[in-house]
Amino acid sequence: EAGVAQSPRYKIIEKRQSVAFWCNPISGHATLYWYQQILGQGPKLLIQFQNNGVVDDSQLPKDRFSAERLKGVDSTLKIQPAKLEDSAVYLCASSRGTGELFFGEGSRLTVL
Amino acid sequence: GENVEQHPSTLSVQEGDSAVIKCTYSDSASNYFPWYKQELGKGPQLIIDIRSNVGEKKDQRIAVTLNKTAKHFSLHITETQPEDSAVYFCAASHEDDYKLSFGAGTTVTVRA
Repeated sequence: EAGVAQSPRYKIIEKRQSVAFWCNPISGHATLYWYQQILGQGPKLLIQFQNNGVVDDSQLPKDRFSAERLKGVDSTLKIQPAKLEDSAVYLCASSRGTGELFFGEGSRLTVL
Repeated sequence: GENVEQHPSTLSVQEGDSAVIKCTYSDSASNYFPWYKQELGKGPQLIIDIRSNVGEKKDQRIAVTLNKTAKHFSLHITETQPEDSAVYFCAASHEDDYKLSFGAGTTVTVRA
């Protein structure tokens, strides 16, 4: 079974620029999560989708972050405009709803 | 929301010795407690989980214990091997949504 795919793996941008991350979950997994992992910290949930509907986006900074899940499969996370404190690894995970989350390798963002 | 605290932040053990990581959580409604292992450049991977109807669970060299009254749970790794070196995260959530709140992580180093 193919794992969760994420791209790009690395991205360096200047502050106030925009960036987008893409995630392709494991086939058949209805639930998709985006987590932010700042260096030296545990992952922090940004948004949870069930199929193509948002379950929880209470921790998503909506003034600059947006996310969508097209047709209940792929998802994109966008940051516009980026701030220095957005430097982190953005992890996408998917689940079939039984508890275990399957994480991708993450997209590392550096904001200069 | 849920707050998960994890100790210690770093742990160095001799190969063959045991490693213990402890976590506490704040939300008494949480009833699902997974442990994830994250290797450098990879996403976290589930190694074991426990639900609130169980006090202890073992899987080969790994065991997890849960004390719901005290709101703490622990990971025990016996007969440690070099490949156990990684960052370990505890997490907590409710089985209704599996929105995991992660601890800050423990960097385990197994010395040969």
